[in-house]
Amino acid sequence: NFMLTQPHSVSESPGKTVTISCTRNSGSIGSTYVQWYQQRPGSSPTTVISENNRRPSGVPDRFSGSIDRSSNSASLIISGLKTEDEGDYYCQSFDSTSRVFGGGTKLTVL
Amino acid sequence: QVQLQESGPGLVKSSQTLSLTCAVSGDSISNGGYYWNWIRQHPGKGLEWIGLIYFTGTTYYNPSLRSRITISIDMSKNQFSLRLSSATAADTAVYYCAREKRAGNWFDYWGQGTLVSVSS
Repeated sequence: NFMLTQPHSVSESPGKTVTISCTRNSGSIGSTYVQWYQQRPGSSPTTVISENNRRPSGVPDRFSGSIDRSSNSASLIISGLKTEDEGDYYCQSFDSTSRVFGGGTKLTVL
Repeated sequence: QVQLQESGPGLVKSSQTLSLTCAVSGDSISNGGYYWNWIRQHPGKGLEWIGLIYFTGTTYYNPSLRSRITISIDMSKNQFSLRLSSATAADTAVYYCAREKRAGNWFDYWGQGTLVSVSS
């Protein structure tokens, strides 16, 4: 199995852009899709990015995703930050028999 | 609209078996386009994948939990279940069930989650 490592927390001001990284420790980041989930306190996670860079219906285009094979990492980019974007963000990927989550990143918009 | 609803005891005694069921509505659990997953979240911690089942009965489990887990499916009731044996306080968590799209392997619908506490 592989692991996905995320920063514990990030903070940024409203209106700014923030990037959350997710680094895979073994195997290629490009070998399987990476998804991103947002979890607000007391709620179930919801998908903000699927399949590396797709936005499910209803997710604002302020959210985008990318992968970087050179650093073996994926990134979630949120532009035009709003206070409602605060919460925990998890990256997730998989192999043929397992699903793996990153440890999560707490986003504070201050 | 697809909905998933977890149910089961909120309190389990240590060494006993934790049992949960996820009732699915708005979709058939025999839909071959999806996997059916269990995921948990320890208090204040991140998400941990437990395992999944496909309508054929194929299962995949988290290697760290494999010896204690059984996931089963009941197509007549359109639900799937989790059994975790020899529960300890370390199994205290919010347990989620979630539907995973086979195309893309992402979780598109989640249950609301249910807190299970294991008492000593």
